[in-house]
Amino acid sequence: DAGITQSPRHKVTETGTPVTLRCHQTENHRYMYWYRQDPGHGLRLIHYSYGVKDTDKGEVSDGYSVSRSKTEDFLLTLESATSSQTSVYFCAIRLAANTGELFFGEGSRLTVL
Amino acid sequence: GESVGLHLPTLSVQEGDNSIINCAYSNSASDYFIWYKQESGKGPQFIIDIRSNMDKRQGQRVTVLLNKTVKHLSLQIAATQPGDSAVYFCAESSIWGGGADGLTFGKGTHLIIQP
Repeated sequence: DAGITQSPRHKVTETGTPVTLRCHQTENHRYMYWYRQDPGHGLRLIHYSYGVKDTDKGEVSDGYSVSRSKTEDFLLTLESATSSQTSVYFCAIRLAANTGELFFGEGSRLTVL
Repeated sequence: GESVGLHLPTLSVQEGDNSIINCAYSNSASDYFIWYKQESGKGPQFIIDIRSNMDKRQGQRVTVLLNKTVKHLSLQIAATQPGDSAVYFCAESSIWGGGADGLTFGKGTHLIIQP
């Protein structure tokens, strides 16, 4: 089974502080994704990666950066958190090249005060 | 822009009845569609998918129907059980064009099971 570990699972921080969320996978999948989920908006794509050091922007990328220095880790960074970035963040991996199915982690709940 | 949406935010059904959750999409280039189930506090879980060269696909107690003419997708759940209570999302993609940029999600339908 595909394994994704997101950390931290819960975080409370203050406006203006930097925050990094980590997504770790165990099976060398090429494609990784960061989504945010907010009431009334469903899941929206922030950034995605198609390989080590290969990343691209999604629908709601403003205020976020990502890095992928090795296959298993995909980091999402909020350089200066704002209250509008309070959300639940989900990491996902694409299981195979010939399918669009994504496998999701359990989420990281971020509260920015 | 292109979007995937749902007709109803909440659907209430009696236990044992069949449930039908609907989804409309507007991107005519979409060639892959998928349904997810999300329980409270958890990540979305795969239910069933369908490609644009099909109009129906069945799984265990679930059926997905695709009508490309009117850009409509539906999820049918047979003999709904209490464990089916969740939020259901449809999503779409264009995987034949590479598909690296993931899935586009609708806003979700909350399925409530009445005893």
